[in-house]
Amino acid sequence: NAGVTQTPKFQVLKTGQSMTLQCAQDMNHNSMYWYRQDPGMGLRLIYYSASEGTTDKGEVPNGYNVSRLNKREFSLRLESAAPSQTSVYFCASSEDRGVYGYTFGSGTRLTVV
Amino acid sequence: GQSLEQPSEVTAVEGAIVQINCTYQTSGFYGLSWYQQHDGGAPTFLSYNALDGLEETGRFSSFLSRSDSYGYLLLQELQMKDSASYFCAVKETGGFKTIFGAGTRLFVKA
Repeated sequence: NAGVTQTPKFQVLKTGQSMTLQCAQDMNHNSMYWYRQDPGMGLRLIYYSASEGTTDKGEVPNGYNVSRLNKREFSLRLESAAPSQTSVYFCASSEDRGVYGYTFGSGTRLTVV
Repeated sequence: GQSLEQPSEVTAVEGAIVQINCTYQTSGFYGLSWYQQHDGGAPTFLSYNALDGLEETGRFSSFLSRSDSYGYLLLQELQMKDSASYFCAVKETGGFKTIFGAGTRLFVKA
């Protein structure tokens, strides 16, 4: 059982470039989430998808778009990367409201130069 | 606005007990979770409290007081492997949006 798989694990982008971070879960979870983690700031919610076909903004959605492709996959897109988007990005999934916790992927370390 | 406050660092001795506090202010409250994260790793779920009181899971316990907007994580019989960052996280009304605190770095000394 793979859990939550994120690709790529590392990425360096130039300012203005675009990229998509991929996330897939094999636990049949309804809800999926994208967080970013910066030093000393904990995890901040970018977007979430309560169920297939729905997406909602989190705390820091500006500069990002998401797609819930199907129940398994939830992608995060940076249309025009900026140095302020240098961060570690985590995808997570949960059964419904996550009363039993979120399962996180291993993260994508993104540097924008 | 929303805010969660927890200490930035705590140091304790192997075998001891440590308590990590969390106070929160949110527009709506659904429950309080705790996560552990080792350096370079992903957060892993430890516990969840929706109602007042203590929840125990092995060496870890978590407490919630909704009236005080306060919770804590209690770690007993500390081991070196417990050295990690611990995050409290509030689930807002509706239950899908979880906001994390900045984390408490726990150092366990021999």
